[in-house]
Amino acid sequence: DQQVKQNSPSLSVQEGRISILNCDYTNSMFDYFLWYKKYPAEGPTFLISISSIKDKNEDGRFTVFLNKSAKHLSLHIVPSQPGDSAVYFCAAVFGNEKLTFGTGTRLTIIP
Amino acid sequence: DAGVIQSPRHEVTEMGQEVTLRCKPISGHNSLFWYRQTMMRGLELLIYFNNNVPIDDSGMPEDRFSAKMPNASFSTLKIQPSEPRDSAVYFCASSPQRYEQYFGPGTRLTVT
Repeated sequence: DQQVKQNSPSLSVQEGRISILNCDYTNSMFDYFLWYKKYPAEGPTFLISISSIKDKNEDGRFTVFLNKSAKHLSLHIVPSQPGDSAVYFCAAVFGNEKLTFGTGTRLTIIP
Repeated sequence: DAGVIQSPRHEVTEMGQEVTLRCKPISGHNSLFWYRQTMMRGLELLIYFNNNVPIDDSGMPEDRFSAKMPNASFSTLKIQPSEPRDSAVYFCASSPQRYEQYFGPGTRLTVT
């Protein structure tokens, strides 16, 4: 059973516009959420995170929003840049360090 | 720091052969994780260690898979015998006892 879901396998966005990546989860025990970015032939790299006690966390062009009642989080990238083209994974965790990842969304920024 | 180091980067082997993947975590990190990435299932956690002790191996697919961490600077993931359905990218990650994990570049395994 997939506890963390990314229902959009791919997304294309024009350079300079906003990219919005979505993630849904089913386990209400999750208390910390992370986004990772992955380029081809490289391992995922940590991007941004949010605790369940918050509903928003911002870091430069990246903002993560958490809606606990809907069990939904999203990553906003604005403005989108060509270097943002990558696969984005959301992940969730509770209690210990065991992350549960979604299947990823491939973001393509169109120049 | 060089980051998490994995070897080999690519491995091609025939069905039935033993495969050993290696990982050197970031110095000072207490936890080490082995993941497998496939198109269908994304990133799956296979096993993780804390202070060299296996904590959760519930993601290990079957008895053909085994992992060891003999010391704080080295871990192996072994598949014996290997099967074509084991073909995937295997990632090792380490963590300094926080949620943010640092991933290695991965080993692309192809079993023919």
